[in-house]
Amino acid sequence: EAGVVQSPRYKIIEKKQPVAFWCNPISGHNTLYWYRQNLGQGPELLIRYENEEAVDDSQLPKDRFSAERLKGVDSTLKIQPAELGDSAVYLCASSPETMNTEAFFGQGTRLTVV
Amino acid sequence: GQSLEQPSEVTAVEGAIVQINCTYQTSGFYGLSWYQQHDGGAPTFLSYNALDGLEETGRFSSFLSRSDSYGYLLLQELQMKDSASYFCAVSSGYSTLTFGKGTMLLVSP
Repeated sequence: EAGVVQSPRYKIIEKKQPVAFWCNPISGHNTLYWYRQNLGQGPELLIRYENEEAVDDSQLPKDRFSAERLKGVDSTLKIQPAELGDSAVYLCASSPETMNTEAFFGQGTRLTVV
Repeated sequence: GQSLEQPSEVTAVEGAIVQINCTYQTSGFYGLSWYQQHDGGAPTFLSYNALDGLEETGRFSSFLSRSDSYGYLLLQELQMKDSASYFCAVSSGYSTLTFGKGTMLLVSP
């Protein structure tokens, strides 16, 4: 069974430029998370989807971040415009049920904003 | 909101036993999870406790006390490959799976 797939693995952009990350969760997993992880810190939740509905986006900086999960499968996370402080690893995770006991993470996208 | 506290770093030698503690504050608590993350890798699931007591999975065990809002991860017969960061995470009704800042475990020969 394929795991959570994210692309790209690495991205370097100049500040004020837009960037997008893509996530393909494990087949059949209804719950999808986007996390941001800074160096030496734990993952911080940005948004959680149940199927195609964003049920928790309270920590998503909505002035510059947006996300979508069309048809309740793949998801994209966009930043526009990027700032230096957005440099981090962006992790996508999926879980087969709403109140999950286990989340499966992708390898992440390491974003560097210069 | 949610908050979790765990030590930032723990060191131990091969073959030893180490315990990583986690205290949490959250509303609508469902359970406590533990994840392992090697440098440059993805977090991987280790264990989940919803009820009080000890859960054992091979060399790793996890404990939860709901009344004390406390849990720990116990690693036995430490191996060099256990050097990694370990995160506790709470599952709660409002925002599931909130992670702590992580504990870096360094295992030396």
